[in-house]
Amino acid sequence: DGGITQSPKYLFRKEGQNVTLSCEQNLNHDAMYWYRQDPGQGLRLIYYSQIVNDFQKGDIAEGYSVSREKKESFPLTVTSAQKNPTAFYLCASSIARQPQHFGDGTRLSIL
Amino acid sequence: SQKIEQNSEALNIQEGKTATLTCNYTNYSPAYLQWYRQDPGRGPVFLLLIRENEKEKRKERLKVTFDTTLKQSLFHITASQPADSATYLCALDMGQAGTALIFGKGTTLSVSS
Repeated sequence: DGGITQSPKYLFRKEGQNVTLSCEQNLNHDAMYWYRQDPGQGLRLIYYSQIVNDFQKGDIAEGYSVSREKKESFPLTVTSAQKNPTAFYLCASSIARQPQHFGDGTRLSIL
Repeated sequence: SQKIEQNSEALNIQEGKTATLTCNYTNYSPAYLQWYRQDPGRGPVFLLLIRENEKEKRKERLKVTFDTTLKQSLFHITASQPADSATYLCALDMGQAGTALIFGKGTTLSVSS
């Protein structure tokens, strides 16, 4: 079955630590996205990539970094500069201008 | 900048009734408007897309309308069921190359039996 896989489902970070969230898709989609979801805040865009080796900052990119070395993979690193990283992180992919397919998210918490 | 508002955080209705959810936006009309369903702890799932030049779209018990004069989309679920209980998100696609969707905060629908 085609889809998006996010791992791990739950992740814990210690203070001052970087963590990387995985997102893999086998839908052959060009575009991939990372969102952060906080209670009552809806989905906020962190980064997106429309093609391999290219990505753009979203509305809340500070404290995050991404890479897009392969079409099917778009990992997100939450750096120690992100002071409030506790949230539900969602990855999505799409063909340009088509609806987005989402993974089932990674919930990140601070120890 | 473009703003999007789903003006009910929560909506409670009885089974069998029609649920109507509202999505309002400011400034420019989007090229497309999309509706998604999200269950707790899961990613959103796409439901319907309506284009700027379309007034209405239907899919089974779902209906979406798009009024560019009012800058509003309405999402209807007819003959609602407890299984329809979820959070519903609207999203704007401004249609410009290199831009991503703008999501509303969502409306949480609860259907009681």
